[in-house]
Amino acid sequence: QAQLVQSGAEVKRPGASVKVSCKASGYTFTSFAMHWVRQAPGQGLEWMGWINTGNGDTRYSQKFQGRVTITRDTSASTAYMELISLRYADTAVYYCAREHLVSGGSCYAYWGQGTLVTVSS
Amino acid sequence: EIVLTQSPGTLSLSPGERATLSCRASQSVTSNSLAWYQQKPGQAPRLLIYDASSRATGIPDAFAGSGSGTDFTLTISRLEPEDFAVYYCQQYGSSPRTFGQGTKVEIK
Repeated sequence: QAQLVQSGAEVKRPGASVKVSCKASGYTFTSFAMHWVRQAPGQGLEWMGWINTGNGDTRYSQKFQGRVTITRDTSASTAYMELISLRYADTAVYYCAREHLVSGGSCYAYWGQGTLVTVSS
Repeated sequence: EIVLTQSPGTLSLSPGERATLSCRASQSVTSNSLAWYQQKPGQAPRLLIYDASSRATGIPDAFAGSGSGTDFTLTISRLEPEDFAVYYCQQYGSSPRTFGQGTKVEIK
């Protein structure tokens, strides 16, 4: 059974950066892409980007282009999401989500527990 | 970018009642690549439906997805106490992947 365990909550100053980790277990890490989704307090879900864990290729939402970097360490079965130049509006729970391959593409059957990132002065 | 609009914003129903949630896309969703998720407070979303109408593993048959093109529906045939939550639709046929704003199903 796939399991994703994320790093703990973070508090950051505006302008700083944050790096959230997502450690995978229970499956072959490089066989499935990893996506990142965030959720501001009381708000909906927002897709940020994804990484092909096999070859490292990435694709980002235009909204976060230039501020987000998703990487992976295959030896540690861990994906990372780094967000720079943090703003108050970046306060959110950040989730990693493993792709679930279906006929129409891939959705998310496995999620991390979420990491709360608070941007505060 | 495909915009998904969910309605209603909030649905107030009693246990045992039927819930009908709508998700409308601003343009046709490729290959009916649409999923529904359930989210409870403090928890990650849970996949219910994929490819518009296929139930995910372990999801009771009280949950049914339907629709195609731009109009999709999630139906919960008989609400159980544990079904009161927020429901999101998501399209994964086009990039960027997008979510609807959610429908809250609350106890009346």
